[in-house]
Amino acid sequence: GAGVSQTPSNKVTEKGKYVELRCDPISGHTALYWYRQSLGQGPEFLIYFQGTGAADDSGLPNDRFFAVRPEGSVSTLKIQRTERGDSAVYLCASSATGYSYEQYFGPGTRLTVT
Amino acid sequence: RKEVEQDPGPFNVPEGATVAFNCTYSNSASQSFFWYRQDCRKEPKLLMSVYSSGNEDGRFTAQLNRASQYISLLIRDSKLSDSATYLCVVQRIRTGANNLFFGTGTRLTVIP
Repeated sequence: GAGVSQTPSNKVTEKGKYVELRCDPISGHTALYWYRQSLGQGPEFLIYFQGTGAADDSGLPNDRFFAVRPEGSVSTLKIQRTERGDSAVYLCASSATGYSYEQYFGPGTRLTVT
Repeated sequence: RKEVEQDPGPFNVPEGATVAFNCTYSNSASQSFFWYRQDCRKEPKLLMSVYSSGNEDGRFTAQLNRASQYISLLIRDSKLSDSATYLCVVQRIRTGANNLFFGTGTRLTVIP
């Protein structure tokens, strides 16, 4: 079956611009996660959705970052006033439930802020 | 202190060699433990879970020592296709949260 998909695969934007990154989880998965992976590092947790609500947003670095999941499936990560330090690969993952051990990752969106 | 510490490598080993990776984790409340594999410019994929009793999957053996907060991965008879970054991961699940904490990854290159 279809895995987690993310669009776009690559995004180049200028400093100060607004970007949206999209994640389509595996159909039927209620839990969705966003991570950020910088070069040479492991993924770092950003936010976790259980259904439509953000159950844990403790990993968001500041208020320029925001994510939504209005219908409990597709999620959008929004970054305002992008900075060069936001350049990273943004990974989305989903799991069947919020108590599932295995999270399935999408291919990521590579964001470059110039 | 980082949640998960692992040696970034790189480890360059010849085909057929045995190689071992280790990591430590800082939070004793961590509940589940994994090794993920990540190929260059690809997403992480679950390689195997890690249990205190030790578990084996073909050429791969994983071990957890809760008392020392230490996790290991052993790869026997290395293949060229094993070349990748291996991420040590711990998980904590509680009401309202399901967090994976990743190490920086250990890069392995298997040489012909």
